[in-house]
Amino acid sequence: GAGVSQSPRYKVAKRGQDVALRCDPISGHVSLFWYQQALGQGPEFLTYFQNEAQLDKSGLPSDRFFAERPEGSVSTLKIQRTQQEDSAVYLCASSLGLAGINEQFFGPGTRLTVL
Amino acid sequence: AQSVTQLDSQVPVFEEAPVELRCNYSSSVSVYLFWYVQYPNQGLQLLLKYLSGSTLVKGINGFEAEFNKSQTSFHLRKPSVHISDTAEYFCAVDSNSGYALNFGKGTSLLVTP
Repeated sequence: GAGVSQSPRYKVAKRGQDVALRCDPISGHVSLFWYQQALGQGPEFLTYFQNEAQLDKSGLPSDRFFAERPEGSVSTLKIQRTQQEDSAVYLCASSLGLAGINEQFFGPGTRLTVL
Repeated sequence: AQSVTQLDSQVPVFEEAPVELRCNYSSSVSVYLFWYVQYPNQGLQLLLKYLSGSTLVKGINGFEAEFNKSQTSFHLRKPSVHISDTAEYFCAVDSNSGYALNFGKGTSLLVTP
């Protein structure tokens, strides 16, 4: 009964570097979400997957952000050419069915610091 | 768009005292409302949720919240807090998408002896 796990927990990148953040959702969970949490703020929605299909990417702040979930389980959030404003905690969440009614279970997050 | 406002950024309280964390939402349609807690260096954990039915919702760790449609509020309460309740608390509402959540900015609860 492992929960949602994320790796790495901490990532320091130099401006301009590419980074990849991994999320392992709870086994069998259909829905997967990525949120961005800036310092002192609440999480903000980035993107949503239902199985392997990315149904909503309206929250991705720029085309430097890309997410995938090729086999409907593990997901990767990639940020290209990182900028200082990308510094935040990136949270992954999964839910058994369609969220809203179903609880979203959150991982511990990856804290990204861009120097 | 559906959104929430958490009126207090920080709430200091003494141990064993009651506490209320305020949340107001804006929506013209029916909503689902949630309270999450975030302990340091951990992910968010669901405390309770309102989907429909009884307006008084009971959650984990002795917390409860009351959905008030006329005041568009969903305040979180606990009659007697513990040191271990020190954490960040987030109110959230389902977005127009029906799946993503819109979170407030959070309220930092600090419980001292």
